[in-house]
Amino acid sequence: GAGVSQSPRYKVAKRGQDVALRCDPISGHVSLFWYQQALGQGPEFLTYFQNEAQLDKSGLPSDRFFAERPEGSVSTLKIQRTQQEDSAVYLCASSPGSETQYFGPGTRLLVL
Amino acid sequence: ILNVEQSPQSLHVQEGDSTNFTCSFPSSNFYALHWYRWETAKSPEALFVMTLNGDEKKKGRISATLNTKEGYSYLYIKGSQPEDSATYLCALNSGYSTLTFGKGTMLLVSP
Repeated sequence: GAGVSQSPRYKVAKRGQDVALRCDPISGHVSLFWYQQALGQGPEFLTYFQNEAQLDKSGLPSDRFFAERPEGSVSTLKIQRTQQEDSAVYLCASSPGSETQYFGPGTRLLVL
Repeated sequence: ILNVEQSPQSLHVQEGDSTNFTCSFPSSNFYALHWYRWETAKSPEALFVMTLNGDEKKKGRISATLNTKEGYSYLYIKGSQPEDSATYLCALNSGYSTLTFGKGTMLLVSP
């Protein structure tokens, strides 16, 4: 079946621009996670949804970062007024509630 | 802050060599340990989820062991092939659903 998909795969933004990153989880998966991987680092947790409820947003680095999952399926990660330090790969993962998380291919964001 | 360490950072081997990597984690925060393989431009692929001390899991030429008392896991690849070239990530689940990743081991297998 279809896996987790993310769009766009690549995004170049000018500093100060707003961006929106989309995640389509595996159908029926209850849990959805966002991670940020900076160059040379492992993925780091940003936020977690169970259905439409955002249960944990402790990893969001600033109030410029906002995530939503209004109908408990597709999720969007929005970054306002992008800064150069936001350049990273943004990974989305979904889970049926078991331990395994299934990842998308990521969105590579470059802020100039 | 949980600290998950992976070594080596990178590894270059010849086709047919066997290799292994290490993942260490705080044993007091253990719920499950995940291994992923991440090939360039693809999605990270789940290899193993390990929960019990002494666990050994195998998938083809790849196997993993777990020691929760001392806080480490080994990943072994027997007879490496060029298609095994990838970054291998381990991640700790400490019981709160979210994963804490190491920085990964980048493996390059030359023909």
